[in-house]
Amino acid sequence: DVKVTQSSRYLVKRTGEKVFLECVQDMDHENMFWYRQDPGLGLRLIYFSYDVKMKEKGDIPEGYSVSREKKERFSLILESASTNQTSMYLCASRLDRGPTRETQYFGPGTRLLVL
Amino acid sequence: AQSVTQPDIHITVSEGASLELRCNYSYGATPYLFWYVQSPGQGLQLLLKYFSGDTLVQGIKGFEAEFKRSQSSFNLRKPSVHWSDAAEYFCAVGSNNAGNMLTFGGGTRLMVKP
Repeated sequence: DVKVTQSSRYLVKRTGEKVFLECVQDMDHENMFWYRQDPGLGLRLIYFSYDVKMKEKGDIPEGYSVSREKKERFSLILESASTNQTSMYLCASRLDRGPTRETQYFGPGTRLLVL
Repeated sequence: AQSVTQPDIHITVSEGASLELRCNYSYGATPYLFWYVQSPGQGLQLLLKYFSGDTLVQGIKGFEAEFKRSQSSFNLRKPSVHWSDAAEYFCAVGSNNAGNMLTFGGGTRLMVKP
């Protein structure tokens, strides 16, 4: 079974803090994704990574950056957290080959509150 | 650009009743279509997916979905709902280009009455 884990389930930070959200997958997937989930808006893609040290902006990258130094780990960074970044953050991974290459597997999510 | 619409934000059904959740998509070519379920406090779990072939797709937990190209729809169905099905359901469309990005609908929250 694919396993995607996220470092925290709940996080409370103050405005202006630097925030790190960590995601680890154990299935040697090439592709990894960060989404934020807000009520009524579904999931929106922040950043994705095709492979180590590679990253691409998604639909809403402003205020975020990412890091992929190792294949299994994909970090989302909020350089200076703001209250409008209060949200649920979901990480996903995907194999880039074979019959399941279109299927993304999700972690449990991190609910971030910025005060 | 691809898009997904889930017209129903909330749906309430009685336990044992049938269920249909609607999903309409916009995409220029043959889409890849997915239904995910999110239980309270959890991440997303894949219920089923359609890539090609038979337009009626069977998934886990007794769910099925039917791809109707003429209606640009991929509705999710279950003949008899269980209380444990209460969750939020997301429809997603994927492209078959090199990026294979998913676009998600806004979600439908299902409540089940005893």
